[in-house]
Amino acid sequence: IAGITQAPTSQILAAGRRMTLRCTQDMRHNAMYWYRQDLGLGLRLIHYSNTAGTTGKGEVPDGYSVSRANTDDFPLTLASAVPSQTSVYFCASSRGGDGNSPLHFGNGTRLTVT
Amino acid sequence: AQSVTQLGSHVSVSEGALVLLRCNYSSSVPPYLFWYVQYPNQGLQLLLKYTSAATLVKGINDFEAEFKKSETSFHLTKPSAHMSDAAEYFCAPTYSSASKIIFGSGTRLSIRP
Repeated sequence: IAGITQAPTSQILAAGRRMTLRCTQDMRHNAMYWYRQDLGLGLRLIHYSNTAGTTGKGEVPDGYSVSRANTDDFPLTLASAVPSQTSVYFCASSRGGDGNSPLHFGNGTRLTVT
Repeated sequence: AQSVTQLGSHVSVSEGALVLLRCNYSSSVPPYLFWYVQYPNQGLQLLLKYTSAATLVKGINDFEAEFKKSETSFHLTKPSAHMSDAAEYFCAPTYSSASKIIFGSGTRLSIRP
């Protein structure tokens, strides 16, 4: 079934540790995104990529980095995790980055930083 | 700055009753407006999309939304609620590019038997 795969499903991480959240899509979409979802705050964009080889900062990029080496993969790295990064992280993709194409979401990674 | 407001963080209706979830965007008209639904422990899924071709937009599962420029609104409705409609719903106007999507804070819909 075509879609977005995120791994891991959940993770408990000690503060200060490095962590990479994986995201892979098989729809050949050009654009990909990382959001975090926190109670009462809705979804906030962390980083995005309109096409392979390019990335951009979203609303809350600090403490996170991304890369887009190819069309299918868009990993999110926390270089040194802090408790405020406890959240549910969603990867999404869209056919284009122009806003006309709807987003397709993965099922999320629940991250707890202790 | 563009913004979106979803009135009511939690709405509860009886099974078979009308569902009305409210969404108001900021004064500048977004080119695109979306409603997404999120079921427990899942990512968001597209319900419907407005693109100016028609002010009344029909989506999946008998949901529809009407764009009203004079009221800066894009409320979501469904004539008759089902238990399976229990979920969280997000209104999302999009300005200029997908990186400019603004998600509302969400409305959790509960259905009473």
